[in-house]
Amino acid sequence: EAGVTQFPSHSVIEKGQTVTLRCDPISGHDNLYWYRRVMGKEIKFLLHFVKESKQDESGMPNNRFLAERTGGTYSTLKVQPAELEDSGVYFCASSRELTSGGHSYNEQFFGPGTRLTVL
Amino acid sequence: GIQVEQSPPDLILQEGANSTLRCNFSDSVNNLQWFHQNPWGQLINLFYIPSGTKQNGRLSATTVATERYSLLYISSSQTTDSGVYFCAVEQNNNDMRFGAGTRLTVKP
Repeated sequence: EAGVTQFPSHSVIEKGQTVTLRCDPISGHDNLYWYRRVMGKEIKFLLHFVKESKQDESGMPNNRFLAERTGGTYSTLKVQPAELEDSGVYFCASSRELTSGGHSYNEQFFGPGTRLTVL
Repeated sequence: GIQVEQSPPDLILQEGANSTLRCNFSDSVNNLQWFHQNPWGQLINLFYIPSGTKQNGRLSATTVATERYSLLYISSSQTTDSGVYFCAVEQNNNDMRFGAGTRLTVKP
């Protein structure tokens, strides 16, 4: 089974430009999450899709960030226009919620991340 | 929101030594995961451990949910164990909250 994949692995852009990050979740995983780690700080949640719907986007920093998941498969995260403080590593994760014995299991599997550098 | 605290923030070991990393969280959680971020920046799943104890080779983890902490044990550490170890917890809304991580350096 293929894991979560992300593209590109690295992106270097200038301030004001646009960048689109892509995440392909594990097949069959309805849940897709975006996280980012900025400037070596802790990893922070951005948003959560359940299939094609945004379940929670409370972590999105501002309206320069737009995430989509058309068709409930892969997701894109667009930053437009990029600012210096957007530099960091953007992680995608996916999960499939399972229920057993009255308890729900929701192990998230992370992709390798996209390292974004804004100059 | 829930607070996740990891200790120690930095740890330097000699190869072969054992270590214990701790994760405290401020509220009840449904799930907890430990990750290792390797030198290439990739997040590697180590354990999915909302409660109880699990072992995988030289690594083991214990979560005591009622007391709101989890421990990650690394035995006979190797240089390849170096990197940042993150604890992350999930409550009811499915997004994970990460701790600040423990940076482990294992010296040969």
